[in-house]
Amino acid sequence: GENVEQHPSTLSVQEGDSAVIKCTYSDSASNYFPWYKQELGKRPQLIIDIRSNVGEKKDQRIAVTLNKTAKHFSLHITETQPEDSAVYFCAAIGTSYGKLTFGQGTILTVHP
Amino acid sequence: GAGVSQTPSNKVTEKGKYVELRCDPISGHTALYWYRQSLGQGPEFLIYFQGTGAADDSGLPNDRFFAVRPEGSVSTLKIQRTERGDSAVYLCASSLRLAGVDTQYFGPGTRLTVL
Repeated sequence: GENVEQHPSTLSVQEGDSAVIKCTYSDSASNYFPWYKQELGKRPQLIIDIRSNVGEKKDQRIAVTLNKTAKHFSLHITETQPEDSAVYFCAAIGTSYGKLTFGQGTILTVHP
Repeated sequence: GAGVSQTPSNKVTEKGKYVELRCDPISGHTALYWYRQSLGQGPEFLIYFQGTGAADDSGLPNDRFFAVRPEGSVSTLKIQRTERGDSAVYLCASSLRLAGVDTQYFGPGTRLTVL
């Protein structure tokens, strides 16, 4: 089955800096890659997603890039703000359309 | 509109007891998913429904776990003979359709504690 690895496990940046989180996946048939933000005690919330027919997608300060050949995708957050502090999870859907496989999560801390 | 809701928000039970966790999906969403999240980990897939039928139950850890969705809307996750290792947050998600893949929207979860 699908396996998703996420790095780094923790990331600390100064307000205004950029943050990058990387994930790799194992199933070459995977075609959907969402990113979720989870604040302490809250539900995971989708912040951006990308499908396998595009290489990059951007939404204001957030962007995701996908390299299908290398089987990795990355989240880029620019001009970070303290409210960006949370746990971020990458995920992938492989051959089972409903089954999201999540990475281990990245704890992002943005210092004012 | 209303998002995915789950009840109860917290459940404390004793080892060996039976529990039921309920999920109300977003109105009109035909697909429903259950995940389990342990502290410091990403959600782990348990089962998903397309309509009333379980399309993939490969994530259920053993036969103590069972889920139903009899009318294609509300779903109940049932755990028999609970064990301390079952303690986790149980998350439900729903999506509009499953023609291909679409966004899964999560509920707030039920925190299950087995003493």
